[in-house]
Amino acid sequence: QQQVKQSPQSLIVQKGGIPIINCAYENTAFDYFPWYQQFPGKGPALLIAIRPDVSEKKEGRFTISFNKSAKQFSLHIMDSQPGDSATYFCAASMMSTSYDKVIFGPGTSLSVIP
Amino acid sequence: DAGVTQSPTHLIKTRGQQVTLRCSPISGHKSVSWYQQVLGQGPQFIFQYYEKEERGRGNFPDRFSARQFPNYSSELNVNALLLGDSALYLCASRIQGGYEQYFGPGTRLTVT
Repeated sequence: QQQVKQSPQSLIVQKGGIPIINCAYENTAFDYFPWYQQFPGKGPALLIAIRPDVSEKKEGRFTISFNKSAKQFSLHIMDSQPGDSATYFCAASMMSTSYDKVIFGPGTSLSVIP
Repeated sequence: DAGVTQSPTHLIKTRGQQVTLRCSPISGHKSVSWYQQVLGQGPQFIFQYYEKEERGRGNFPDRFSARQFPNYSSELNVNALLLGDSALYLCASRIQGGYEQYFGPGTRLTVT
């Protein structure tokens, strides 16, 4: 129940394309769903996050779509650029409990080809 | 403002040795969490400390321990190192009442 599933494992898109990364969870107690971007040799950087009372959130070129009934959420990257090439992790946590344990998905390696 | 800082950047140890990793949270952040990231996988939660008290522990053996100091910095200790402990160790901090966790650059530990 603590697992977060993520797909695809890797993704290659052309510059300007819209990569979509999908995640699913089981535990309905999760109340915070962040996405992290990680470059090789660096720590994960918070990209965008959503609470389950919202179905969509946009920040710049990044959009999260959230389906509470299906327990699924996804990241869309509009007008993707070579600089977006990185590993993306979806995650879930129960921040309302003041317990910071964040469950990460296995990651998606994104390559944006010029 | 400075982000989360960690030291050292890289570390090479031999099996059976002990290691201490250090983390300084973002100013004003009182919660510090530690994660282990094995190559090719997502980070795995090890510990959370808030106001110098342990608030959570992941599924890691007792060889792993941590503490938080009055200035909210933190140390992660790993005893009797195994080859499988080779990983990137990440520290994250969060402000009280906030949801966002901010990660440091990590310490790359190699056990030979």
